Amino acid sequence: GAVVSQHPSRVICKSGTSVKIECRSLDFQATTMFWYRQFPKQSLMLMATSNEGSKATYEQGVEKDKFLINHASLTLSTLTVTSAHPEDSSFYICSASAGTKGHFGPGTRLTVT
Amino acid sequence: QQQVKQSPQSLIVQKGGISIINCAYENTAFDYFPWYQQFPGKGPALLIAIRPDVSEKKEGRFTISFNKSAKQFSLHIMDSQPGDSATYFCAASGGETSGSRLTFGEGTQLTVNP
Repeated sequence: GAVVSQHPSRVICKSGTSVKIECRSLDFQATTMFWYRQFPKQSLMLMATSNEGSKATYEQGVEKDKFLINHASLTLSTLTVTSAHPEDSSFYICSASAGTKGHFGPGTRLTVT
Repeated sequence: QQQVKQSPQSLIVQKGGISIINCAYENTAFDYFPWYQQFPGKGPALLIAIRPDVSEKKEGRFTISFNKSAKQFSLHIMDSQPGDSATYFCAASGGETSGSRLTFGEGTQLTVNP
């Protein structure tokens, strides 16, 4: 149980374009979803927290207009990287929670050329 | 502000040996301390977690030792195997979202030589 999926697993896009990443909780309803970013050989950094039906809360230093988060249902949250640039290339990981424990997805590798 | 400090950055252990990774935290509101294992290109996987009401928790070859007064906790991997070679992260969380909104340590790259 407690399976979280992400789609796509990897994506390459051109600089200036936008890309959407989906995070789904497959066998439970997630009241809260978290988005993390991980650069190579670095730790996971929390970007934002989203609750179903409400606006996301962004961590300090994360541009909310650049990283759009939508938590449309209890099983789906999306992260849209708008006007992507090479410095946005990273590993994006979501975590879905239905209580006190979060379950991580497999991650999405974004490469911006 | 880094609230969870992890050491060492990298660790090489012989097969069958004990791997020890240490973490220290600052925020006394933290009440949930998990350890994650991450393989390249994969999301982190929960290994074991502890809450401050116990000083030690063991699951198979993995043990967490917790020192509340020192604000430190450590992961011990007994009988380390080459398949344990991965990056290990400690983490901490607290408050109403305990266990979900995590602050991660910097990570330890573990290599277990055959």
